[in-house]
Amino acid sequence: DAGVIQSPRHEVTEMGQEVTLRCKPISGHDYLFWYRQTMMRGLELLIYFNNNVPIDDSGMPEDRFSAKMPNASFSTLKIQPSEPRDSAVYFCASSPRLWGARADTQYFGPGTRLTVL
Amino acid sequence: TQLLEQSPQFLSIQEGENLTVYCNSSSVFSSLQWYRQEPGEGPVLLVTVVTGGEVKKLKRLTFQFGDARKDSSLHITAAQPGDTGLYLCAGATPSGSWGKLQFGAGTQVVVTP
Repeated sequence: DAGVIQSPRHEVTEMGQEVTLRCKPISGHDYLFWYRQTMMRGLELLIYFNNNVPIDDSGMPEDRFSAKMPNASFSTLKIQPSEPRDSAVYFCASSPRLWGARADTQYFGPGTRLTVL
Repeated sequence: TQLLEQSPQFLSIQEGENLTVYCNSSSVFSSLQWYRQEPGEGPVLLVTVVTGGEVKKLKRLTFQFGDARKDSSLHITAAQPGDTGLYLCAGATPSGSWGKLQFGAGTQVVVTP
């Protein structure tokens, strides 16, 4: 398996522009997570999906952020309009669900490094 | 405010030395995981501990979950340059949604030859 695939790997944009980050989870995984990592705040969960349905979006910083999962093999995280403080590395992760397990392995993608000028 | 506090924030040691990284919280966790992250990559799971007092060994790495399931430690024996990376602990709370993890800020470990 190719693992979790994210694109682009790097994105540089100007303040006010729309940014779309893409993720392809591992086939057969029921859960998909979007995280943001910065030096100041570490790794933060933004939103996660179960079987394409958003379960918890309490980590989404504000209305400028939105995420969709139209099918089991694709998800997007959109920022509109983007601001310099959105600069971070954004990770997508996917996970299977083991019956009875409290938490299972999350498989992370390589991340998208976003720079908003 | 981090639910999980990791210490130290940074650790630089020579090859062959031992090191311990700590993960502490005032909250109880139903399970706790340790991940390692290398530059330009996503975190990779090392271990999951679920029982208070549990000890797991992975080659030169020893993981311990506190009796009260509020803290954990990672001990590396005879560290090697390949152990260099950001070590993250992540906990699942009993009342939280399945799969939702709280991550610590991480400990950056550098092992020099």
